[in-house]
Amino acid sequence: DAKTTQPTSMDCAEGRAANLPCNHSTISGNEYVYWYRQIHSQGPQYIIHGLKNNETNEMASLIITEDRKSSTLILPHATLRDTAVYYCIALYNTDKLIFGTGTRLQVFP
Amino acid sequence: NAGVMQNPRHLVRRRGQEARLRCSPMKGHSHVYWYRQLPEEGLKFMVYLQKENIIDESGMPKERFSAEFPKEGPSILRIQQVVRGDSAAYFCASSPPALAIRTDTQYFGPGTRLTVL
Repeated sequence: DAKTTQPTSMDCAEGRAANLPCNHSTISGNEYVYWYRQIHSQGPQYIIHGLKNNETNEMASLIITEDRKSSTLILPHATLRDTAVYYCIALYNTDKLIFGTGTRLQVFP
Repeated sequence: NAGVMQNPRHLVRRRGQEARLRCSPMKGHSHVYWYRQLPEEGLKFMVYLQKENIIDESGMPKERFSAEFPKEGPSILRIQQVVRGDSAAYFCASSPPALAIRTDTQYFGPGTRLTVL
């Protein structure tokens, strides 16, 4: 499974869009990009995943570049409850998720 | 639809005792995964099980740790002769059968926080 690189931390004002980048330059053609988040010390929460096309659900949007070497998770209207550590994971199957250090997103009033 | 359930939520053990952590997957899920999160660190994969089978235990310590997922009942992660370094949050996740892996993912429980005194 490809290695991913994310910024250590980001800030976002409440109500604004939070754009979280992820680099996965070694991703292979059959590896999906998954996003999870962990709020405080709770269990990780699945957000979204995609392969090639951009994806959107009720939580977020996932934008994947055409060459698939990077992606961006977009929280369109961040709230204080979106403060969490966000993990970008590239994997071929759901055998084991490899969590890096993630991005610590702080949403401020 | 109930989510992944774990119990106990908090467990305190003295060094040398045994710890048993239980995980009930979501309804319809036959795959269970265990992860460990040490303080101030990310989650690390431990083991992947299907009913009555261990599929991948590459992340399990070779000694003192074992896992099972019997035909009936929850999955159990067992830690024998616990040491202080075992203090961590242990998360269980479940997923549907492998045929659905492209459209589904792992869903996590709330975790069991083990403290070894």
